[in-house]
Amino acid sequence: RKEVEQDPGPFNVPEGATVAFNCTYSNSASQSFFWYRQDCRKEPKLLMSVYSSGNEDGRFTAQLNRASQYISLLIRDSKLSDSATYLCVVWTGFQKLVFGTGTRLLVSP
Amino acid sequence: DAGVIQSPRHEVTEMGQEVTLRCKPISGHDYLFWYRQTMMRGLELLIYFNNNVPIDDSGMPEDRFSAKMPNASFSTLKIQPSEPRDSAVYFCASTTISGGSYNEQFFGPGTRLTVL
Repeated sequence: RKEVEQDPGPFNVPEGATVAFNCTYSNSASQSFFWYRQDCRKEPKLLMSVYSSGNEDGRFTAQLNRASQYISLLIRDSKLSDSATYLCVVWTGFQKLVFGTGTRLLVSP
Repeated sequence: DAGVIQSPRHEVTEMGQEVTLRCKPISGHDYLFWYRQTMMRGLELLIYFNNNVPIDDSGMPEDRFSAKMPNASFSTLKIQPSEPRDSAVYFCASTTISGGSYNEQFFGPGTRLTVL
């Protein structure tokens, strides 16, 4: 079983739609959680951290459920520029990040 | 301020050849990471350094892979001999740690390696 699992997609949504991605992790000792965004043929970049209380950054909302060991990302009012691969990332301590294989989002006009 | 710099950006080589990938971390960062990304396996940590010292190389796939960090501003990842299954995008990332908690890792643009 992979340490971090994501639905690879692609998720095809029209502009303005709301879309949600989930991710599960296997290591209950994981300490911190993140969503990274990766554009085609580019490097991953931090999108946002994920906190147990849930957190928002504009149109993006991240949630963490430690009991069920899953993380979610909600994108409201999708834009064409949101098209990318979204990587679920878990920090296990000792400076090691574990990445999911990513969920691909395609937003169409 | 320059980000993480990697070279070359693209490398095409033949099986059996030696390949050397290079990375310059962000100035002042004391952690450096080498990752490999493939469609099947996603992004995998190969090795990381702290203050130029290798800390964890458990992700290095086999003895054909080696990494060095001779100083704070330069690291290499070498594959010798290269094989077609080594074809992937190799990313270097750097960060600095404060307070024992996670600090964002900044990635370089990657080196796209194709082994024929």
